[in-house]
Amino acid sequence: AQSVTQLDSQVPVFEEAPVELRCNYSSSVSVYLFWYVQYPNQGLQLLLKYLSGSTLVKGINGFEAEFNKSQTSFHLRKPSVHISDTAEYFCAAFSGNTGKLIFGQGTTLQVKP
Amino acid sequence: NAGVTQTPKFRVLKTGQSMTLLCAQDMNHEYMYWYRQDPGMGLRLIHYSVGEGTTAKGEVPDGYNVSRLKKQNFLLGLESAAPSQTSVYFCASNRPDRAHHNEQFFGPGTRLTVL
Repeated sequence: AQSVTQLDSQVPVFEEAPVELRCNYSSSVSVYLFWYVQYPNQGLQLLLKYLSGSTLVKGINGFEAEFNKSQTSFHLRKPSVHISDTAEYFCAAFSGNTGKLIFGQGTTLQVKP
Repeated sequence: NAGVTQTPKFRVLKTGQSMTLLCAQDMNHEYMYWYRQDPGMGLRLIHYSVGEGTTAKGEVPDGYNVSRLKKQNFLLGLESAAPSQTSVYFCASNRPDRAHHNEQFFGPGTRLTVL
C-alpha cells in the first residue's frame, strides 16, 4: 500500500536544541518527497523538496532533510530551533500511480523557552 | 499575486444545510485540489481537477461535489452537511509542466463546523 508515515505525533524540544522529525514512505510511492509546514491558523507552506540529485536537501528557515533510499526515509532536521518554529509539519510523497500527493499524519513541533 | 485564496474563512452550519466553498488562484495553474484536514489524519484529498471543465474523485469524495467552470476557480459544495464534515478545508493548485510532482500551493483554509 502507498503510504507516508510520520513516526512522532508530537515533538517537544527546548529552544536552541537540535530537532529531527521522522518520515518514512512506502516503496510503492515515487521518490518525489516534500516537507510542508503549517503555522497556527494558516495554510501549508513548502519547506523543501527532493526530486533528484543530492540526497541532502536544504530548505527555508534553516531546515534540511536527507533522502535515504535504502531506509525509505526522509527525515527533517534543524540544528537549533527557535520559538517561531512551533508549528505542524507534514511529510508528503508524490504517487506516480495515482498522480497525487500522499500526506503523512503530521508532527507537531513544540519549542519551549 | 494573491496566490490561492479561499472564502469563507469560517462557517458554522446546521445539519442538513448546504454551502459552497470558493477557491481562487491567480497563478494560471491547471491543476487544483480540495483537501480536508482532521486531527491525526493529515490531509486527505476530496476532489481534484486537471483543467477547466474537468473534475475527479479523490480519497474521500462522499458528501461533496465540485465544479471547475473557470480555470481560476474551484468550488466545493456540501449539499446536506453532516457533523462528520466538520473539518478544516484546504484548496491547493499547481502547474503540470512536470506533472503533479511540482509543489502544490495552498490556500489559508476554511474552518467549517457542522452542528
